[in-house]
Amino acid sequence: AQRVTQPEKLLSVFKGAPVELKCNYSYSGSPELFWYVQYSRQRLQLLLRHISRESIKGFTADLNKGETSFHLKKPFAQEEDSAMYYCALKGQGAQKLVFGQGTRLTINP
Amino acid sequence: GAGVSQSPSNKVTEKGKDVELRCDPISGHTALYWYRQSLGQGLEFLIYFQGNSAPDKSGLPSDRFSAERTGGSVSTLTIQRTQQEDSAVYLCASSLAGKLFFGSGTQLSVL
Repeated sequence: AQRVTQPEKLLSVFKGAPVELKCNYSYSGSPELFWYVQYSRQRLQLLLRHISRESIKGFTADLNKGETSFHLKKPFAQEEDSAMYYCALKGQGAQKLVFGQGTRLTINP
Repeated sequence: GAGVSQSPSNKVTEKGKDVELRCDPISGHTALYWYRQSLGQGLEFLIYFQGNSAPDKSGLPSDRFSAERTGGSVSTLTIQRTQQEDSAVYLCASSLAGKLFFGSGTQLSVL
């Protein structure tokens, strides 16, 4: 079964500080991992996916198969990063995308 | 249209009534998903349609919930005999190349 765990429901950091949003998953095969973000009064949208190995808005995420993790990181947080962040997993050959419970990130000035 | 469209944006109903929620996906997207977003529960998968294949209904919480997709385009999520615990935001998404595009959701309130 596919499962995604985001252990922190709320995370608050100061502007300019590093931020890390944790995501752990449970899946026996090779998954595809994603981070989605929902800013205030906006639609949920894709932030990044592990197969692209890209940095979006300064955020990066590395898939660690040994630790079954896909943590989202940014070295210097900005106030506009305040949002709800969801980690998601899609299994091999499967199209169903399973989401974690989400982490609400607040960047304090 | 420019994106995934959902209607109504808000729905208030009485316990025991049936409701229908509509989703218009992005043209050309063959995959369509329904999720439920509740406070403290995250995004709960409900159902997934892919082309002409049988839908993945594994996330529907009870037999009061059903969904259909007509002509591979518009989808309707129906909740029969609504209960207060059905109150949530219902999100629809369509997909191209694995990337999901979400609608703005329907806020359902069951009184």
